[in-house]
Amino acid sequence: EPEVTQTPSHQVTQMGQEVILRCVPISNHLYFYWYRQILGQKVEFLVSFYNNEISEKSEIFDDQFSVERPDGSNFTLKIRSTKLEDSAMYFCASSTDRVGTEAFFGQGTRLTVV
Amino acid sequence: AQRVTQPEKLLSVFKGAPVELKCNYSYSGSPELFWYVQYSRQRLQLLLRHISRESIKGFTADLNKGETSFHLKKPFAQEEDSAMYYCALAHNAGNMLTFGGGTRLMVKP
Repeated sequence: EPEVTQTPSHQVTQMGQEVILRCVPISNHLYFYWYRQILGQKVEFLVSFYNNEISEKSEIFDDQFSVERPDGSNFTLKIRSTKLEDSAMYFCASSTDRVGTEAFFGQGTRLTVV
Repeated sequence: AQRVTQPEKLLSVFKGAPVELKCNYSYSGSPELFWYVQYSRQRLQLLLRHISRESIKGFTADLNKGETSFHLKKPFAQEEDSAMYYCALAHNAGNMLTFGGGTRLMVKP
């Protein structure tokens, strides 16, 4: 069964460094998403991406965040200058249609900023 | 703004007992509601959605617009139902899910 794949599973970075979290969505899916979950808190929406552009973003997704689909298969989340509060589990998801259809989630990347 | 509330962080029941995981929402439009489940060491996956009106793994959920609730129910819990359950809302115009805080269900033998 096709799955959304995320790499790495765990990333440790120093405050102020740039990180890129990578995702390979399911191949025939058209909508892509990033969510995050800070330890002990809710899963929070960051951004959705469709037709090579951001379709919606939350207030969390400020100028230090960016997304890209560089080669038609990967979907990346870049955090330009990490802060301690960026430490969280980051989930990628994809769907065939807008969010009313099933979103398939990756296993997550745990980002630890030290 | 939309909001999803799951009042119980932890629900512990014995095998064979009925289960009800509560979910309340606030949203001014016509919502689409979902239950997602995360079993130990596995990814978040869709359990069911209100528009399908289906029963998955014995679980059902009915959207009650008057009470703004979408509680998840199962008449007889099984040990394999132990997991984290998240209620989520999607709004028609948007392309995002708003999640509740999650309820950990523990089914004891």
